[in-house]
Amino acid sequence: QQPVQSPQAVILREGEDAVINCSSSKALYSVHWYRQKHGEAPVFLMILLKGGEQKGHDKISASFNEKKQQSSLYLTASQLSYSGTYFCGTVIIQGAQKLVFGQGTRLTINP
Amino acid sequence: DAGITQSPRYKITETGRQVTLMCHQTWSHSYMFWYRQDLGHGLRLIYYSAAADITDKGEVPDGYVVSRSKTENFPLTLESATRSQTSVYFCASSVGEWDYGYTFGSGTRLTVV
Repeated sequence: QQPVQSPQAVILREGEDAVINCSSSKALYSVHWYRQKHGEAPVFLMILLKGGEQKGHDKISASFNEKKQQSSLYLTASQLSYSGTYFCGTVIIQGAQKLVFGQGTRLTINP
Repeated sequence: DAGITQSPRYKITETGRQVTLMCHQTWSHSYMFWYRQDLGHGLRLIYYSAAADITDKGEVPDGYVVSRSKTENFPLTLESATRSQTSVYFCASSVGEWDYGYTFGSGTRLTVV
C-alpha cells in the first residue's frame, strides 16, 4: 500500500523548478504532501482530495490524477528554504483508510 | 501555548524496561496518531485514535500500547523495550482522519540500549 515517490533525491540551483511524483497501485481518497527539514517534524503542505478539492499552501501547487492514482508536487522558482525531504501520504479507497507515507524525496537547493 | 507537544525530547532506556512517551495537544482535535520514523522506512503508523477511549492499530503496533482517556492526551507505552524500537517517534493530530492535514509534534528520539 505504500506509495512510490520519484525521484528519490534531486539537487537544484536556487530559482530552478522541481517536480516530485507520488504513485499508488490503488484508487485513492486523498493525497497529502509534507516537508521535513533535518532534525525537525514533518510540516503539512497541502492535501488533494478525490473530486478535485485542494487545501493547503499558497506558494506550492500540486496535481492529482485520480485515474492514474498519481500526484505531483510542483516547486517553482525554488528558494533555499525549500530544501528538505518531501513526503507524500496516500489514503486508499479499499481497505483500511489510513494515511500511509512514501519513502520521501530529498530536495537540496544550492545557491 | 497552543500546539502539540511531545515529551521527553530524548530518551535512553535499557532493553526490557517500560517507557512512556507523552503527547499533548491544545486544539481539541479528534484524531491523534503515533508514527515512528526510521531510515529506509519513512513514517510508519503505530496507533491512532479517533476520539477519547477510541483507539486502533496501525501498520506496526506490536510491542506498543496506547490509551486516550482525555481528548488532549495520547501517550504511547513500550511495554518491554527492544533495540528494534530505537527510533524517532512523532505524534500528530488532525481535525479529520484523512481529509485534513496533520500537525506533528517535535518528536521523541528514543534509544534502547
